[in-house]
Amino acid sequence: DTEVTQTPKHLVMGMTNKKSLKCEQHMGHRAMYWYKQKAKKPPELMFVYSYEKLSINESVPSRFSPECPNSSLLNLHLHALQPEDSALYLCASSDREGGTEAFFGQGTRLTVV
Amino acid sequence: DAKTTQPTSMDCAEGRAANLPCNHSTISGNEYVYWYRQIHSQGPQYIIHGLKNNETNEMASLIITEDRKSSTLILPHATLRDTAVYYCIVRANKGLGGGSNYKLTFGKGTLLTVNP
Repeated sequence: DTEVTQTPKHLVMGMTNKKSLKCEQHMGHRAMYWYKQKAKKPPELMFVYSYEKLSINESVPSRFSPECPNSSLLNLHLHALQPEDSALYLCASSDREGGTEAFFGQGTRLTVV
Repeated sequence: DAKTTQPTSMDCAEGRAANLPCNHSTISGNEYVYWYRQIHSQGPQYIIHGLKNNETNEMASLIITEDRKSSTLILPHATLRDTAVYYCIVRANKGLGGGSNYKLTFGKGTLLTVNP
């Protein structure tokens, strides 16, 4: 199983809502990542978790809150987002931080209204 | 600051080889060349990586020049399903003195369009 599964595939939320994005992998990978991708732009790294601990935060606003409950799961909690936060949110995993190959999920298309 | 330079777009006829160039003139000795692609509305997909020697796998070949300042990704028989944005990335592997340079940082990439 070389899949990274992200749910939901699409999400529409209001600026006062609280929602969560979920990511799951069963490859035994110990590093997991969140990327944000705006239309016609490359993916931008947001967070890196290594062995369930936050390793990198690329100066992401606090309205985005990551969580790694166990080695297979990665969540991104969203609160008080702005319309400009609308984007494709991608989760990825690799066998270790900086590992050779990163496996990406299909992403969650988020629209903030 | 971009570490790689790729053409914005390229076209290729179906069944022909697609040769995608990448310049990385400031590459360090411990940095690898990675290629990923992203088909429309999907997550990026790893293709291949190399340090000095040419590499080949079931998807593609990677040719790295002797001075390592540029490389070419070759898709030997392009199909319509190979239409995608192709990203060339240089990065160290953590544990080899890479510091923060082991992060996977995407540049603008090349949009390859395979035509029937």
